[in-house]
Amino acid sequence: GAVVSQHPSWVICKSGTSVKIECRSLDFQATTMFWYRQFPKQSLMLMATSNEGSKATYEQGVEKDKFLINHASLTLSTLTVTSAHPEDSSFYICSARDRQGEWEKLFFGSGTQLSVL
Amino acid sequence: GQSLEQPSEVTAVEGAIVQINCTYQTSGFYGLSWYQQHDGGAPTFLSYNGLDGLEETGRFSSFLSRSDSYGYLLLQELQMKDSASYFCAVKGSNYQLIWGAGTKLIIKP
Repeated sequence: GAVVSQHPSWVICKSGTSVKIECRSLDFQATTMFWYRQFPKQSLMLMATSNEGSKATYEQGVEKDKFLINHASLTLSTLTVTSAHPEDSSFYICSARDRQGEWEKLFFGSGTQLSVL
Repeated sequence: GQSLEQPSEVTAVEGAIVQINCTYQTSGFYGLSWYQQHDGGAPTFLSYNGLDGLEETGRFSSFLSRSDSYGYLLLQELQMKDSASYFCAVKGSNYQLIWGAGTKLIIKP
């Protein structure tokens, strides 16, 4: 099946620093990738939709200048949390849809646990 | 708007059968998906219903009734490894998924 690789798995950083999270589709082309945030014991909250070669579409309430998304190729999307603060600590997950695949079937990365001190 | 409701927690015994319900309200409907997520892990796709009826995949089955805006996930022959959170999801605009809050399945020996 399709594989989505997400790195790093976890990161601890100081307040004020920036953190970049990578999401790669390993064996398929992903024209669309989604970035989610998840708090403990809660559902997935969609942050933004990333389309290859164009600007990301952010959900209401998500600061686009704080959460920078780049989808430079059909296999790579990155999320950069700029000037991270403790309230940004969360589990971030990316997902992708196979270019040829069905909309209802998403493939997820393994997630990144971000802890901001 | 669009919303999904599912129980927050369900408890069952190993070897038994459990049903996780999901009701939805959507402005347009294109099918219901189910995902499984273990603690600390990523969601994995389980099943999809685009039309009414039952879809079976091994020990897991999913059912949809569009007239009732209702679906369920049925897990048979429960194993301890099935302890996880289960999410139902529907399609939103721009092809993203709208997620339910998730049901934590607790399995007791």
